Amino acid sequence: DGGITQSPKYLFRKEGQNVTLSCEQNLNHDAMYWYRQDPGQGLRLIYYSQIVNDFQKGDIAEGYSVSREKKESFPLTVTSAQKNPTAFYLCASRDYLAGGFGSWFFGPGTRLTVL
Amino acid sequence: AQKVTQAQTEISVVEKEDVTLDCVYETRDTTYYLFWYKQPPSGELVFLIRRNSFDEQNEISGRYSWNFQKSTSSFNFTITASQVVDSAVYFCALRISGNTGKLIFGQGTTLQVKP
Repeated sequence: DGGITQSPKYLFRKEGQNVTLSCEQNLNHDAMYWYRQDPGQGLRLIYYSQIVNDFQKGDIAEGYSVSREKKESFPLTVTSAQKNPTAFYLCASRDYLAGGFGSWFFGPGTRLTVL
Repeated sequence: AQKVTQAQTEISVVEKEDVTLDCVYETRDTTYYLFWYKQPPSGELVFLIRRNSFDEQNEISGRYSWNFQKSTSSFNFTITASQVVDSAVYFCALRISGNTGKLIFGQGTTLQVKP
């Protein structure tokens, strides 16, 4: 089945540690996105990548880093510089249709808790 | 500026009641797309509908219907004869034209349907 997988589902981190969230898709989509969700808030864009070896900052990129070495993978690293990393993280990918209008597919999410 | 506002933070209804979730958006673009997503307790975002700015026809899909009015910049979502399984967080999102594919989300409305 085609889709997006994120691992792990739950992640606990001690303060001062970096941690990497995995996102893999087998949909052959060029574009991939990372969103952060806090309670009572909508999703906010952290980073996005429209093609392999290229990525751009979103609205809240500080304290995060990404890489896009393969089309199917877009890992997100939460660094110790992120002041408040406890949140729910969602990965998404997008297909391109004619006119640039595509559909987004979301993964099941990773819940990160800083102890 | 692009913005999506879902003024209703939480709504509670009794099963079989009809319920409308409000969504108001702001954009200066003439070409844009609007979405509704459902987020059940599992966390994964489930796509419900996509509408482009040139199509103001209302849409009905089973118990779900959507009312898009450009004059008031609103894209409201109605669930008829609500069921307990409809309990979830519902997000309205806006995508402006361009290549980034960024989705701008509202804060979400938590719907609780009681038996």
